[in-house]
Amino acid sequence: SQQGEEDPQALSIQEGENATMNCSYKTSINNLQWYRQNSGRGLVHLILIRSNEREKHSGRLRVTLDTSKKSSSLLITASRAADTASYFCATDAAGTASKLTFGTGTRLQVTL
Amino acid sequence: DTGVSQNPRHKITKRGQNVTFRCDPISEHNRLYWYRQTLGQGPEFLTYFQNEAQLEKSRLLSDRFSAERPKGSFSTLEIQRTEQGDSAMYLCASSLPAGTGGTGNTIYFGEGSWLTVV
Repeated sequence: SQQGEEDPQALSIQEGENATMNCSYKTSINNLQWYRQNSGRGLVHLILIRSNEREKHSGRLRVTLDTSKKSSSLLITASRAADTASYFCATDAAGTASKLTFGTGTRLQVTL
Repeated sequence: DTGVSQNPRHKITKRGQNVTFRCDPISEHNRLYWYRQTLGQGPEFLTYFQNEAQLEKSRLLSDRFSAERPKGSFSTLEIQRTEQGDSAMYLCASSLPAGTGGTGNTIYFGEGSWLTVV
């Protein structure tokens, strides 16, 4: 079963705009990871944030984590057409030996 | 390329046939995972290995599914007597042991193996 939900399910923006995706989960976690998936391809790891971290940056990506609300957000700044993909959050629940549980994903469309 | 490698990338098989997928993890990663993903859904956990030991199996892994990692390196996932409901992408992933410094809990995925059962 899915651990949580990404919100929105689909997002369409123009190149240069920022994209924000949210993720909610249900159980206590060790880590939360964000992945990108292009259509028909595998998952590309974007960023990992630990449960004791609140914010993390990597290039144009900014991830926040609020463990009290069991939620995370992924911000992509200055989006590009190449950012078009599905984005998934995945949680590593406490005591599960790094087994990931994924949400349902956000489909991002960046148009020129 | 030193990432997670999976083959075949695509497999079309007739219902009732057996299929086998292979996964080569990143070198030195002792943890190996199998996931299944259907269209429009996130990946779902199937099973994981630490070295050659299969430590957990999901209820999704029926008795027609078997996974092995005989020498703690590559792994195979076999599906016997395939059914149309088995059509999905099968993803393999690997990681370093938990507690490894830095981002050691990062789990890296391969490109997946698409299965179509007709």
